[in-house]
Amino acid sequence: EAGVAQSPRYKIIEKRQSVAFWCNPISGHATLYWYQQILGQGPKLLIQFQNNGVVDDSQLPKDRFSAERLKGVDSTLKIQPAKLEDSAVYLCASSSLDSSYNSPLHFGNGTRLTVT
Amino acid sequence: QKEVEQNSGPLSVPEGAIASLNCTYSDRGSQSFFWYRQYSGKSPELIMFIYSNGDKEDGRFTAQLNKASQYVSLLIRDSQPSDSATYLCAAHTSGGSYIPTFGRGTSLIVHP
Repeated sequence: EAGVAQSPRYKIIEKRQSVAFWCNPISGHATLYWYQQILGQGPKLLIQFQNNGVVDDSQLPKDRFSAERLKGVDSTLKIQPAKLEDSAVYLCASSSLDSSYNSPLHFGNGTRLTVT
Repeated sequence: QKEVEQNSGPLSVPEGAIASLNCTYSDRGSQSFFWYRQYSGKSPELIMFIYSNGDKEDGRFTAQLNKASQYVSLLIRDSQPSDSATYLCAAHTSGGSYIPTFGRGTSLIVHP
């Protein structure tokens, strides 16, 4: 099966600019996650979708970050305006079985964002 | 606040030895636990998961769960230099749907 697709792989922007990331999950996977991973840290959940509804977005900085999942498939994550501390790898993941307790996450290759 | 704690390491072991990686979690509502391996510059990939108390073995890997102590571990037998990576522990906690929380990961170095 095709894996989780993410684009772009790398992005460099200046602070206060905007940026968007795209994710296409594994076909048939109901649950989609966006994680932020700062160098040396574990992934931090930003938002979790089940189909096109939001399960958890408690750690999403909503004043600058937004995410959507249209038609329960593809998803985009946007940052506007970016800050220096947003420099990180943004990982998209998906899981099957409607986020059952034993569903592992399948990760994309991530987008490495550098804010200068 | 759900927390998953891991010692960041690095944990250094000689080739052929057993590597023991540990993880504790704060939320007793956590139902299942996953171990992922992450090579430098790469994305996490699943090693195994466990949701019942006791041991679960898969090849050279054994996961151990003790819900009373809120403790999960991963043992890697016959460690190889190719096992050198960061190992992430994740807890899935039910809040309607299951929400995964990751620890910061433990860096493992297996030296020849």
